[in-house]
Amino acid sequence: SQQGEEDPQALSIQEGENATMNCSYKTSINNLQWYRQNSGRGLVHLILIRSNEREKHSGRLRVTLDTSKKSSSLLITASRAADTASYFCATDDSSASKIIFGSGTRLSIRP
Amino acid sequence: DTEVTQTPKHLVMGMTNKKSLKCEQHMGHRAMYWYKQKAKKPPELMFVYSYEKLSINESVPSRFSPECPNSSLLNLHLHALQPEDSALYLCASSQTGRTEAFFGQGTRLTVV
Repeated sequence: SQQGEEDPQALSIQEGENATMNCSYKTSINNLQWYRQNSGRGLVHLILIRSNEREKHSGRLRVTLDTSKKSSSLLITASRAADTASYFCATDDSSASKIIFGSGTRLSIRP
Repeated sequence: DTEVTQTPKHLVMGMTNKKSLKCEQHMGHRAMYWYKQKAKKPPELMFVYSYEKLSINESVPSRFSPECPNSSLLNLHLHALQPEDSALYLCASSQTGRTEAFFGQGTRLTVV
């Protein structure tokens, strides 16, 4: 089952620009996470934001969470070629201990 | 050690074969997961083990059989698979179901 939708599905930007990805989900959550996946291999955890938090920063990453709209955004500032990857939001199911992924955004950074 | 190790990295199997995928973590995590991922799609949850007991089975066909021999190991036994089962199989672990998950690099499975 898929918890959420991500927007856009694909994003291509110039190196140095900022990239913004959005995630919407359907059910109540305890937390929302963002993961990165390079070339169809393992996922790497980027950041976790709890349902009682509205914004969180980690390095060049900024995540916001709006539980009233059931949505989150991930901002990557000053993008680099190494940021080229697929990005997924993931939510836990507050009634069960499982992590469900959104549809993902494929980010390409042009040199 | 913050690694989740999956073996093998690649596997080609016939539809009548029996094979197993293995996953190992030494972070003391008590939740372990199997996900299936098709190209350009998000990972789809298959199974969750919590404290070595199967807690969630997402209506996965019985040709996939998970096993958790101990708190560090997770296996996925495969039997009589179909070509449409070809995918990347990802193992993950976390402290609980509500914390960050650590993923292995996956097993790329091809069923011929």
